Amino acid sequence: AQTVTQSQPEMSVQEAETVTLSCTYDTSESDYYLFWYKQPPSRQMILVIRQEAYKQQNATENRFSVNFQKAAKSFSLKISDSQLGDAAMYFCAYRTGTASKLTFGTGTRLQVTL
Amino acid sequence: NAGVTQTPKFQVLKTGQSMTLQCAQDMNHEYMSWYRQDPGMGLRLIHYSVGAGITDQGEVPNGYNVSRSTTEDFPLRLLSAAPSQTSVYFCASSYSNLYGYTFGSGTRLTVV
Repeated sequence: AQTVTQSQPEMSVQEAETVTLSCTYDTSESDYYLFWYKQPPSRQMILVIRQEAYKQQNATENRFSVNFQKAAKSFSLKISDSQLGDAAMYFCAYRTGTASKLTFGTGTRLQVTL
Repeated sequence: NAGVTQTPKFQVLKTGQSMTLQCAQDMNHEYMSWYRQDPGMGLRLIHYSVGAGITDQGEVPNGYNVSRSTTEDFPLRLLSAAPSQTSVYFCASSYSNLYGYTFGSGTRLTVV
């Protein structure tokens, strides 16, 4: 069974600084996709970034980028120039190319301080 | 384009009552899922569907039923509510396996 592990329950970053959230996963599949979702206090789940396992290039979306290490089964999220609006729960998620379900980690709560 | 619409947003039930959480999407997505979110446990899959007429169980299906008679709708039924079903419930839909899911705004359910 696939598992997703987020070992940092809480993180804190100062405004304008950079923070990295960790995620590891366990799978025997070769075709899969990885995601980071943001959940602000409004409760809405927002897709932040997506990475295809077959792509070596790390995905980037504005201030958000990932460090995808396929051999190590690691998928960390880097947030640059952190803003107060980045404060939220962040979930790492995994999906195989053939299955329809997403498997989530337990989340990391990110605080952004002035 | 409303995306994924869940109703109600909040609900309080008494133990033993039944109810249906509604979910509708207007994006013509084939894949739909129901998750529950509990503190410290992330989101766990209850049931999912890969198209109209096709449903399957997820990680925590006990006490819940689903059906998918149309592409747009995917209701979740609680058969006999229990306090352990107190949670936040999310419905989500996806165009294909290549993409992430789009989530509804969630339903906070309390069973007393």
